[in-house]
Amino acid sequence: QVTLKESGPALVKPTQTLTLTCTFSGFSLSTSGMGVSWIRQPPGKALEWLARIDWDDDKFYSTSLKTRLKISKDTSKNEVVLTMTNIDPVDTGTYYCARVHTTGNYPDYWGQGALVTASS
Amino acid sequence: DIQMTQSPSSLSASVGDRVTITCRASQTISKYLNWYQHKAGEAPRLLIYATSSLQSGVPSRFSGSGSGTDFTLTISGLQPEDFAYYFCQQSYSTSWTFGQGTKVEFK
Repeated sequence: QVTLKESGPALVKPTQTLTLTCTFSGFSLSTSGMGVSWIRQPPGKALEWLARIDWDDDKFYSTSLKTRLKISKDTSKNEVVLTMTNIDPVDTGTYYCARVHTTGNYPDYWGQGALVTASS
Repeated sequence: DIQMTQSPSSLSASVGDRVTITCRASQTISKYLNWYQHKAGEAPRLLIYATSSLQSGVPSRFSGSGSGTDFTLTISGLQPEDFAYYFCQQSYSTSWTFGQGTKVEFK
């Protein structure tokens, strides 16, 4: 059974760095063809893809946010970490991680999401 | 980025109705269009991938069609558990983009 769960601070102050962890089970990120993506949804807006990391440590970032994002994995812990620097109130939203089959490039399992509020 | 336009933003329907949701891409995405169901407090659930392939465990009343830029999700015979939020996603490019979503409400 594949599960993913996002964790991190619920409240972050502007200019701070946000660190989110995706802890998963039911698959391994050392398996060929596996990846994990981060996606967010600001209140009342559409989902926005942020970043992806693949089994071979290939990394991909949103063009508009790439200077602020860093994605990494710890295969032994079944974790993927996303850091976002210089947080702004517009970064408020629900952050999701999802498993990706890199050949199909679609997320087949998602976490429930973690709500992050950026406010002073 | 590829823009995804989903319609309608909401609809009211009754149990047993046939419901259709559409998604239009700003450029051709071949067959790389996926559909999800999302209920509040739960993880989004993959329903359809690659336009028309039914994800394992998803009831056959859900179906998808289309190609190029225009795609459709159909629910044939709406069930009480189908009242939810639905969104499309293009996987043609590594930089995914999503439709705004459709809320299916009880009439």
